Amino acid sequence: SQQGEEDPQALSIQEGENATMNCSYKTSINNLQWYRQNSGRGLVHLILIRSNEREKHSGRLRVTLDTSKKSSSLLITASRAADTASYFCATNSGGSNYKLTFGKGTLLTVNP
Amino acid sequence: DVKVTQSSRYLVKRTGEKVFLECVQDMDHENMFWYRQDPGLGLRLIYFSYDVKMKEKGDIPEGYSVSREKKERFSLILESASTNQTSMYLCASKPRRDTGELFFGEGSRLTVL
Repeated sequence: SQQGEEDPQALSIQEGENATMNCSYKTSINNLQWYRQNSGRGLVHLILIRSNEREKHSGRLRVTLDTSKKSSSLLITASRAADTASYFCATNSGGSNYKLTFGKGTLLTVNP
Repeated sequence: DVKVTQSSRYLVKRTGEKVFLECVQDMDHENMFWYRQDPGLGLRLIYFSYDVKMKEKGDIPEGYSVSREKKERFSLILESASTNQTSMYLCASKPRRDTGELFFGEGSRLTVL
């Protein structure tokens, strides 16, 4: 079953604009992670936020987590054409640390 | 630099064939995973392994088996391939600690005719 659900499914913006993607989940979590996938390639880890954190930054990425609403957002500032990819959230619900449950992803297209 | 290598990027097999997908990691990670990715369905966990010779079913294990004889290698086996197993297969690994970050291979795109 899918834990995270990204919104929107697809997003198209111009270079230089900011891109915001949202993720909702259903059960309590230990941490939430965001991954990026270029077309036809594997996933690359971007950032992890723990359940006791509210915001985290990494370069042009900003992630927020609202555990009361069971939601997270990923903001990419000053987007570039090279940011074009699919972005997935994944939740670790504890119990077993072995499993991540992924959402269906947001396809971001950044137009030059 | 960490590396997860999947032996085949593209495979074409016939219905009923036995298919092996190999994954090797060079990071001495205890945990390894096999996911399949389909349009509109995202990533779904097939099997995972937390140690040599140990395995656990994921969300969609039917039609698949796995083998973990050595720490660095995790194989996914389709005993009798079917057309509904046409998919992108992704292998991942992680160390046995709490961060949860997965390291992925480049994927193996399997087509079953």
